[in-house]
Amino acid sequence: DQQVKQNSPSLSVQEGRISILNCDYTNSMFDYFLWYKKYPAEGPTFLISISSIKDKNEDGRFTVFLNKSAKHLSLHIVPSQPGDSAVYFCAASGSGTYKYIFGTGTRLKVLA
Amino acid sequence: DAGVIQSPRHEVTEMGQEVTLRCKPISGHNSLFWYRQTMMRGLELLIYFNNNVPIDDSGMPEDRFSAKMPNASFSTLKIQPSEPRDSAVYFCASSPSAGYQNTEAFFGQGTRLTVV
Repeated sequence: DQQVKQNSPSLSVQEGRISILNCDYTNSMFDYFLWYKKYPAEGPTFLISISSIKDKNEDGRFTVFLNKSAKHLSLHIVPSQPGDSAVYFCAASGSGTYKYIFGTGTRLKVLA
Repeated sequence: DAGVIQSPRHEVTEMGQEVTLRCKPISGHNSLFWYRQTMMRGLELLIYFNNNVPIDDSGMPEDRFSAKMPNASFSTLKIQPSEPRDSAVYFCASSPSAGYQNTEAFFGQGTRLTVV
């Protein structure tokens, strides 16, 4: 049972445009959400996070939006750059639990 | 800090052999996680430790898999006997008490395991 779902396995975007990556979750106990970026042959690296008390968190070109009622979050990258081409994983954690549950990932390709 | 260190980076073994993957977490981190990356399931949590104690091993596929954390600076994931379907990239990650603070996990570079 996949508690965190990324339904788009891949996404292609033109350089300079907006990239929007989506993530859905099923467990209402999740209250902390993270996005990771992964390049080939490397481990995932933390990108940005959001707590359930917020609905938006911004860090430079990256913004994460959280819609708790829909159990949905999204990552916006503006403007997209070729160096952003990677696999993006969404992850969730619940209060008082130590573990992070990851989605299956979305491969983003930014075309120059 | 050197980050989370995993060894080996690559492992090729024959079916039926024992495989041991190693991990050194970031100093001071209390939580350690083992993940397996596959195309179908993404990053799948196998087991996690807090203060060297296994908290949840429900993700361990079967009895052929075992994990230990004898001290705060070392953990192993063992597969015995290995099977071709175990071929995947295995990641170790550590975090400073993720349960009580909203913090991220830091990943190692992974071990690519191939069982032939």
